[in-house]
Amino acid sequence: EVQLVESGGGLVEPGGSLRLSCAASGFTFSRYWLHWVRQAPGKGPVWVARITDDGSGTTYADSVQGRFTISRDNAKNTLFLQMNSLRAEDTAVYYCARDRDGAGSVEDYWGQGTLVIVSS
Amino acid sequence: DIQMTQSPSTLSASIGDRVTITCRASQTISSWLAWYQQKPGRAPNLLISEVSTLESGVPSRFSGSGSGTEFTLTISSLQPDDFATYYCQQYNDYQTFGQGTKVEMK
Repeated sequence: EVQLVESGGGLVEPGGSLRLSCAASGFTFSRYWLHWVRQAPGKGPVWVARITDDGSGTTYADSVQGRFTISRDNAKNTLFLQMNSLRAEDTAVYYCARDRDGAGSVEDYWGQGTLVIVSS
Repeated sequence: DIQMTQSPSTLSASIGDRVTITCRASQTISSWLAWYQQKPGRAPNLLISEVSTLESGVPSRFSGSGSGTEFTLTISSLQPDDFATYYCQQYNDYQTFGQGTKVEMK
């Protein structure tokens, strides 16, 4: 069974940093691209970042470019999102998700999400 | 950036009703259009990809159609488990989700 389990969310002050993790199991982790998608309360999902299967390629939404870094450890089946210079508008549930076709397509499996609140 | 606009924002319907949700893209996205269902406190669940391809396990009462910039999700006979929020997503140019359509009980 495919499982994605996020962790690392919490309350952080504006300008602060947070590192999210996503532990994967039930599939060959190193064969899949992965995404981070966030969803603010009462809003639709918003794509944040993606990473290729081998970690050599990363792409970011304009809203987080230069502040967030996506990475992965294929030996430990874990995806990361380093978030710096956090703003109030970054407050959301952050989901990791698997790219079904491995080339920037749809997300077929999602984690349960981890809540990030940016507030003083 | 490609914008996705869904209508309506909220839809009130009864069990057995035929339900249609529309999604419009700000520019052509070919067939790179997906639909997700989301229930409160849960992650989105992929229903349909490439406009009309049902994911494994998705009931046949769900169907998708459209091309270019105009797309629809249809539920042929609404069931109790279908009350949820539905999002369209384009993946022609990175990804963009619509703002959602909440299907509620009339």
